[in-house]
Amino acid sequence: SQQGEEDPQALSIQEGENATMNCSYKTSINNLQWYRQNSGRGLVHLILIRSNEREKHSGRLRVTLDTSKKSSSLLITASRAADTASYFCATAALYNLFFGTGTRLTVIP
Amino acid sequence: DAGVIQSPRHEVTEMGQEVTLRCKPISGHNSLFWYRQTMMRGLELLIYFNNNVPIDDSGMPEDRFSAKMPNASFSTLKIQPSEPRDSAVYFCASSLSREETQYFGPGTRLLVL
Repeated sequence: SQQGEEDPQALSIQEGENATMNCSYKTSINNLQWYRQNSGRGLVHLILIRSNEREKHSGRLRVTLDTSKKSSSLLITASRAADTASYFCATAALYNLFFGTGTRLTVIP
Repeated sequence: DAGVIQSPRHEVTEMGQEVTLRCKPISGHNSLFWYRQTMMRGLELLIYFNNNVPIDDSGMPEDRFSAKMPNASFSTLKIQPSEPRDSAVYFCASSLSREETQYFGPGTRLLVL
């Protein structure tokens, strides 16, 4: 399966701490995307990193991609209670996005 | 732009009934995707349209599911007849092109009794 797998499945941290989530996948990709989903809501795109990129930043988000290890990480710095959500990585090959099962992040105020 | 619009947001129906979910993609986007999300299976791609043409419907569970895109600003996903196992959240997403960022609608939460 091309589906990404996030690790850990659940993460609980104190507000202000950094949160790191990892994603591993199995096949070649064109890009890898991270999405956030608040409970009962739709998915919100966070960041896209292409296969020829190694690192990308967006505000408090930092994404790395290691295509040799077929893995990516999402770092959220200085977490806030509003960051509480499920985070999914999605690997893109052609048009299809394969979503992982997600990491449930809880940020405790 | 209002983003991807889906309707209805919630649907409760009885087994055997026809269900029609609607989606309006972001203007200018030529790729449209229908996904289904369940606790057991996560997010699954059902069908992908490019320029209103279905490109890949291999994710459609069975013949009870059908999708159409009569024009660039409207798509439907129909389930006929519906079954309890179809209960899920159905998302529509659109993108500028097939490899670019997909923007998701708020989803339709379907419950089939």
